[in-house]
Amino acid sequence: DTAVSQTPKYLVTQMGNDKSIKCEQNLGHDTMYWYKQDSKKFLKIMFSYNNKELIINETVPNRFSPKSPDKAHLNLHINSLELGDSAVYFCASSPTISGEDAFFGQGTRLTVV
Amino acid sequence: QKEVEQNSGPLSVPEGAIASLNCTYSDRGSQSFFWYRQYSGKSPELIMSIYSNGDKEDGRFTAQLNKASQYVSLLIRDSQPSDSATYLCAVNYGGSQGNLIFGKGTKLSVKP
Repeated sequence: DTAVSQTPKYLVTQMGNDKSIKCEQNLGHDTMYWYKQDSKKFLKIMFSYNNKELIINETVPNRFSPKSPDKAHLNLHINSLELGDSAVYFCASSPTISGEDAFFGQGTRLTVV
Repeated sequence: QKEVEQNSGPLSVPEGAIASLNCTYSDRGSQSFFWYRQYSGKSPELIMSIYSNGDKEDGRFTAQLNKASQYVSLLIRDSQPSDSATYLCAVNYGGSQGNLIFGKGTKLSVKP
């Protein structure tokens, strides 16, 4: 079983559409994250949840809305997609709130055309 | 603005040499430091964590931390072509807030 799994792995969509990326971890971790990695490979934190509660919300357009139905899942919904949203989105989880031993999913490559 | 700085490289070393990767961070209060390796098209993978000043060794990898200088490094001994990847330095800035900040990464190329 994959420890942190994201779906879909690839997503190609038109500008203006709404899309969701799902993430599930089976590690029993309390903390989950969403990161965005742009074309220059810079990995930037977007959101952090601990036991379903939002603890970090970096400067991200409000078109991005995370949802954590339980502590094993953290989904990312994006409204009104823009060209600049094209990137690889990584979900990660950690056993501690301070981020030790963070384990990453395989990433979702989002391309907005 | 909390920052983690790395030279982007590429850093090129011959097979068998020591590769030295460096990272500086801006917040003196940081307590946890990590090195991740990312192969092209893959996800970051944790290879080392360090919390105290000094050296921490794990196989061919040694992490070094100097909190007074706000500096953390990774040494890879006996570098292999399979070590060719981007190495990301990460710092926990949040303490209990879980804000794990990454540097932009250093691309390492090990030439056979």
